[in-house]
Amino acid sequence: NAGVTQTPKFQVLKTGQSMTLQCAQDMNHNSMYWYRQDPGMGLRLIYYSASEGTTDKGEVPNGYNVSRLNKREFSLRLESAAPSQTSVYFCASRGQINEKLFFGSGTQLSVL
Amino acid sequence: GENVEQHPSTLSVQEGDSAVIKCTYSDSASNYFPWYKQELGKRPQLIIDIRSNVGEKKDQRIAVTLNKTAKHFSLHITETQPEDSAVYFCAAASSGGSYIPTFGRGTSLIVHP
Repeated sequence: NAGVTQTPKFQVLKTGQSMTLQCAQDMNHNSMYWYRQDPGMGLRLIYYSASEGTTDKGEVPNGYNVSRLNKREFSLRLESAAPSQTSVYFCASRGQINEKLFFGSGTQLSVL
Repeated sequence: GENVEQHPSTLSVQEGDSAVIKCTYSDSASNYFPWYKQELGKRPQLIIDIRSNVGEKKDQRIAVTLNKTAKHFSLHITETQPEDSAVYFCAAASSGGSYIPTFGRGTSLIVHP
């Protein structure tokens, strides 16, 4: 039981490049989230998926797209990376029993 | 939407002292208030939470208090230890419908041996 798995752990991009961050959970959770963490800014919600087949914007969605591929997987795509997207990205999931969020180990992304 | 303010941004204490982190929220519909701890280079993990139907909850050396009227809640850590050093995040959410917690900006707690 691995919990929430994110890949890659580190990535360096040039401005304008695209990439997809992968997230998978093996806890049969319905809800999944993507957050970004910047110094002094806390955890800000980019997109979330309340259940398979649905996605909704969070607080900072501009420049990102998401896909809830199936119940296990929720990916985050940067179509044209910008330096302002340099951040640490966390995926999280939540089950049906309570409100506890389970976070992945994070992706440190640098856009040059 | 919900707005969560967290203070202080940095807190430095001596081992054995108590530490208090305070948060305020704006949406009276919020009824669930979790606290997450993030050690350096690690993922955030839930350490304690409180619901709006109680005023205080304890778990060994940590406790949370909630004042619904004033819309503020606090994390209390007693007898701090070096392993308590981490960033702590408060959050507020409504537990009905789509669960979308709003996080505070975090408090970096440093416990000096």
